[in-house]
Amino acid sequence: RKEVEQDPGPFNVPEGATVAFNCTYSNSASQSFFWYRQDCRKEPKLLMSVYSSGNEDGRFTAQLNRASQYISLLIRDSKLSDSATYLCVVTPTDSWGKLQFGAGTQVVVTP
Amino acid sequence: GAVVSQHPSWVICKSGTSVKIECRSLDFQATTMFWYRQFPKQSLMLMATSNEGSKATYEQGVEKDKFLINHASLTLSTLTVTSAHPEDSSFYICSARSFGQNSSPLHFGNGTRLTVT
Repeated sequence: RKEVEQDPGPFNVPEGATVAFNCTYSNSASQSFFWYRQDCRKEPKLLMSVYSSGNEDGRFTAQLNRASQYISLLIRDSKLSDSATYLCVVTPTDSWGKLQFGAGTQVVVTP
Repeated sequence: GAVVSQHPSWVICKSGTSVKIECRSLDFQATTMFWYRQFPKQSLMLMATSNEGSKATYEQGVEKDKFLINHASLTLSTLTVTSAHPEDSSFYICSARSFGQNSSPLHFGNGTRLTVT
């Protein structure tokens, strides 16, 4: 089993709709969680950190479920510019700095 | 905010030549930088951890003699792909984190797209 798993998609989403997807992690001692966005042929860029209580940043909402060991990302009112691959990133406590990456979930927002 | 600069963005080289990629932290000191490789439609794969003033730590399956890493200062790490072959063609990305901030996110360089002909 991979340490961090994501549904690769693609999730085809009509503009204005809501899309949500999860990321599961295997190490229960994982410490920090992040969602990154990666556009085609570009480097990943931080979208948001994920806090224990859940957090929201504009149209984006992230949740953490430690009991079930997954994090989620919800995008409301999808824009065409939201089309990208969303990477789930996890930091295990026993490996400073060595983030573990999911393979990414591709989101395609259509007009 | 923190910025990591990577150079060059694109490089095309002939098989057998060596290519050096630079990764700089522009407004913070990074005792540790990370080098990743990403093939099309695949996830980022950590190649090695670059430590300032000491030897890099390589992940299993990554040849240290082929991918030379030098981290001579707190703001610069370099990755040299020696005797490059077409199978080394990939997207190479570096990242860094501000010293002492284990829970902070990584900042990525803009990546280097290497094509070996």
